[in-house]
Amino acid sequence: NAGVTQTPKFRVLKTGQSMTLLCAQDMNHEYMYWYRQDPGMGLRLIHYSVGEGTTAKGEVPDGYNVSRLKKQNFLLGLESAAPSQTSVYFCASSYSWQGNQPQHFGDGTRLSIL
Amino acid sequence: AQTVTQSQPEMSVQEAETVTLSCTYDTSESDYYLFWYKQPPSRQMILVIRQEAYKQQNATENRFSVNFQKAAKSFSLKISDSQLGDAAMYFCAYKTRSGNTPLVFGKGTRLSVIA
Repeated sequence: NAGVTQTPKFRVLKTGQSMTLLCAQDMNHEYMYWYRQDPGMGLRLIHYSVGEGTTAKGEVPDGYNVSRLKKQNFLLGLESAAPSQTSVYFCASSYSWQGNQPQHFGDGTRLSIL
Repeated sequence: AQTVTQSQPEMSVQEAETVTLSCTYDTSESDYYLFWYKQPPSRQMILVIRQEAYKQQNATENRFSVNFQKAAKSFSLKISDSQLGDAAMYFCAYKTRSGNTPLVFGKGTRLSVIA
């Protein structure tokens, strides 16, 4: 049972380059989320999706785009990477928005922008 | 907006001893959930314990228990018989019971366990 899988696990980019982070879940969850984690800041929500074909902005959406073309996949894109986007990115999924349904997290992607 | 505050950036505990991590939150809601997540050096976020606000009884999971004080909006985590494997970042989080509101995290407390 893989749960939530993120690829890649590490990546180094140059300023201005683009890339896509992939999140895949095999639990048939409706809800998926992208967070970034920075030192001393905890986890902050970037974008989320409440179902296939739908996405919404979270707390820190600027500079990122997302797509949910398939229920099991949630993609996070950086069109023009900036050093401020150096962070650890986590994907999570849950069965519903209800608080009694915990979020399941991937192992994170460490992204460095030079 | 809801906020979660963890006032202790770092804590340490001797192996086999007990430690309490603090968390306070601010909300106008009456029905919500509170969580403690553990993040070891492997980076994986692991749910440790969950508390439902409408339940007065404090949640317990083996060596982990909480002290939930709803009126004071306080939700502390107690780790008994601390083990080396408990060393990690611990995040307190809040979620309203329903509605399209996201999980709100505190900034975390780094726990060190001393052998």
